[in-house]
Amino acid sequence: NAGVMQNPRHLVRRRGQEARLRCSPMKGHSHVYWYRQLPEEGLKFMVYLQKENIIDESGMPKERFSAEFPKEGPSILRIQQVVRGDSAAYFCASSPPWDHAGTEAFFGQGTRLTVV
Amino acid sequence: GDSVTQMEGPVTLSEEAFLTINCTYTATGYPSLFWYVQYPGEGLQLLLKATKADDKGSNKGFEATYRKETTSFHLEKGSVQVSDSAVYFCALSDNGSSNTGKLIFGQGTTLQVKP
Repeated sequence: NAGVMQNPRHLVRRRGQEARLRCSPMKGHSHVYWYRQLPEEGLKFMVYLQKENIIDESGMPKERFSAEFPKEGPSILRIQQVVRGDSAAYFCASSPPWDHAGTEAFFGQGTRLTVV
Repeated sequence: GDSVTQMEGPVTLSEEAFLTINCTYTATGYPSLFWYVQYPGEGLQLLLKATKADDKGSNKGFEATYRKETTSFHLEKGSVQVSDSAVYFCALSDNGSSNTGKLIFGQGTTLQVKP
């Protein structure tokens, strides 16, 4: 059973370009969470999705950021018109349908976005 | 809102020394508590967890006890190894009405163990 798969592991974008980060949850997991880790800081919650639904996006910046988890395929975190301040590590976590307390969540290895 | 506070690092210890990393939390409900470890360039791995008061989580020689009276979840290990060098994150999830499973993290504590 493969773990949570994120790709790419490293992504370099120029200011103004778009960044697409992908997350494939563990088999049987229907909950996906995205977190952002700025340099020298802890992880901050961004968004929680179930298949085809955004459940909680209270941590998402109001502009340029969007997330989806389609019926088929991976979850996508999309950042439009990136700026230097978007440079961070973005982590995805997944958990099974019965887990509403985060006690069964597994994390991917992250995507490190660098904006130049 | 809910929050987690960890002792600031870096913490530098000699091999076989005793480790304590303090963690306190603020929560309105009855959270589950976690310690995650992040090795350089890697993602987060769950180290241990406790889901209710007085529970003790343990793994790989690390322990932490859920103390509701002091709202704490301090991480301890009796004898650290060089391979324990990493960043340690304390986290909580709210088991209350929101039931989303999202985690709130502390800022992380860097542990460096010297031979």
